[in-house]
Amino acid sequence: GAGVSQSPRYKVAKRGQDVALRCDPISGHVSLFWYQQALGQGPEFLTYFQNEAQLDKSGLPSDRFFAERPEGSVSTLKIQRTQQEDSAVYLCASSVLAGGLVETQYFGPGTRLLVL
Amino acid sequence: AQKITQTQPGMFVQEKEAVTLDCTYDTSDQSYGLFWYKQPSSGEMIFLIYQGSYDEQNATEGRYSLNFQKARKSANLVISASQLGDSAMYFCAMRERMDSSYKLIFGSGTRLLVRP
Repeated sequence: GAGVSQSPRYKVAKRGQDVALRCDPISGHVSLFWYQQALGQGPEFLTYFQNEAQLDKSGLPSDRFFAERPEGSVSTLKIQRTQQEDSAVYLCASSVLAGGLVETQYFGPGTRLLVL
Repeated sequence: AQKITQTQPGMFVQEKEAVTLDCTYDTSDQSYGLFWYKQPSSGEMIFLIYQGSYDEQNATEGRYSLNFQKARKSANLVISASQLGDSAMYFCAMRERMDSSYKLIFGSGTRLLVRP
């Protein structure tokens, strides 16, 4: 399909383990966003890329969270030394252009992370 | 203060009836956009409708319409002729012009259950 894809869909990690979550945006989309959605809550912004440049990482909760998009397409969100509070659904979204109020963000199905 | 407030954690509606999901927002920006997304149990966020702060007419998309009352800072979603497939979580979100990353700020959501 032509939508945003994410892998893995589910990830169980032991506390202290490192994890890597992948996002494949819609081809040609300039902007890419990561959001974290805790159980029963709305998504919360983590970070934003315009092509390969990470322009906003103000939402990353700690220095254990790291995101990259080296070639301006696929992005990886890495969480080091996972903690139980990291358990959430991680959503990736992309949009066509670099900005604009009306730009629609298209979301992937998310990666559900459970840290034991 | 929360930027997006959805006061209805859960709503019921009878199939084929209309339902209104409430959303109020808070911003000092004069230029902003308001969005509604649907999140079924599969987890993917599906874009429904958009309203710009300068749009004079309420947005409509098929069975979805947005009741935009700027002075009251409310952007309620109206779903007409409810269908069983409308059962899902619904999120109101805002994007502000002064935010250069154009990230979405989400409310906590309303769970809608359509009764047959």
